Amino acid sequence: GAGVSQTPSNKVTEKGKYVELRCDPISGHTALYWYRQSLGQGPEFLIYFQGTGAADDSGLPNDRFFAVRPEGSVSTLKIQRTERGDSAVYLCASSLEGQGHEQFFGPGTRLTVL
Amino acid sequence: AQTVTQSQPEMSVQEAETVTLSCTYDTSENNYYLFWYKQPPSRQMILVIRQEAYKQQNATENRFSVNFQKAAKSFSLKISDSQLGDTAMYFCAFSQAGTALIFGKGTTLSVSS
Repeated sequence: GAGVSQTPSNKVTEKGKYVELRCDPISGHTALYWYRQSLGQGPEFLIYFQGTGAADDSGLPNDRFFAVRPEGSVSTLKIQRTERGDSAVYLCASSLEGQGHEQFFGPGTRLTVL
Repeated sequence: AQTVTQSQPEMSVQEAETVTLSCTYDTSENNYYLFWYKQPPSRQMILVIRQEAYKQQNATENRFSVNFQKAAKSFSLKISDSQLGDTAMYFCAFSQAGTALIFGKGTTLSVSS
């Protein structure tokens, strides 16, 4: 079956602009995670959804970052007033349940802020 | 707070040889999960192997096995009969009940012929 998909695969924007990154999880997966991976580093947690609600958003770095999952499936990560430090690969993962089940990752969106 | 440490930034091995990647973690919890993920240049993160902390038996998946030492908080990955396709970045990760993964900084593994 289809895996986790993310669009766009690459996004180049200018400092101060607004961007949206989309994640389509595996059908039926209730848990969805966003991570950010800087060059040469491991992914860092941003936010976790269980169904439609954000179960844990403690990883969001500041209020410029926001994510939604209105129907419990597709999720959108929104970044306002982008800064050069936001440049990274944004990874999305989904799993059947939040507790210990394998997380299936998408290919990521590489965001470059000029 | 939980932390995951991978002390080997880079490793290299010849085809058909065995290599071991190290990982230590810190937690005060008793129930948790440990993972090794592989990330090739394509960026796709792929699960290699998983270990539940309550299980004493070390997990094995074909050429991949772990040495899980709960008291020492150590979780190393052994790759036997290394293949060129094993070349990738390997991440050790920790997860607790209903929480996101906490990753180490990764080890870049190069397999040469």
